Amino acid sequence: ILNVEQSPQSLHVQEGDSTNFTCSFPSSNFYALHWYRWETAKSPEALFVMTLNGDEKKKGRISATLNTKEGYSYLYIKGSQPEDSATYLCALHASGGSYIPTFGRGTSLIVHP
Amino acid sequence: SQTIHQWPATLVQPVGSPLSLECTVEGTSNPNLYWYRQAAGRGLQLLFYSVGIGQISSEVPQNLSASRPQDRQFILSSKKLLLSDSGFYLCAWTTGARGVEQYFGPGTRLTVT
Repeated sequence: ILNVEQSPQSLHVQEGDSTNFTCSFPSSNFYALHWYRWETAKSPEALFVMTLNGDEKKKGRISATLNTKEGYSYLYIKGSQPEDSATYLCALHASGGSYIPTFGRGTSLIVHP
Repeated sequence: SQTIHQWPATLVQPVGSPLSLECTVEGTSNPNLYWYRQAAGRGLQLLFYSVGIGQISSEVPQNLSASRPQDRQFILSSKKLLLSDSGFYLCAWTTGARGVEQYFGPGTRLTVT
């Protein structure tokens, strides 16, 4: 069983603040990491797929980095807006064994206007 | 394009009653199919996955079962619901490749009373 940890569990920020949170995972047998955004009453939607050490992906005000050697990925949100409020999930794919991803418990972000 | 359907959207059932949740995928063939549950205050828990018709793998022991009677149909069932079965149930699909993103259905909110 792979241990995928996300921190913090929840986060409250003011509109306009920049924020970041972490996904930690075992560095051995890394294959890929996905970040998902899960808004209330909706289904999770993929934000990024990270595959190479040093990867940096960006979509608007949201970006993500990956360090496979030390086993972590950061998700950054610049200038948070209320519509960014959601739970952000990371999912690890390992290189051996099952094709099933292991999800972290998520970081719940609430952006106050 | 591919579409995933889940129904019902919400369900309130008494303890001890049966359950049947259905998921269907359109626009793809031979998908890998998954059932997840998010209980209150918890992360996303994988319940079952299937790589083909009649092939079901269970991730956790529980009073739930799953079936895949057709290539693009995945059903989650219970003969007798428990209070602890309350939660948000998500169906998802992927292609058979390693490391690909999961596509989630709209979910079913189940409340067991």
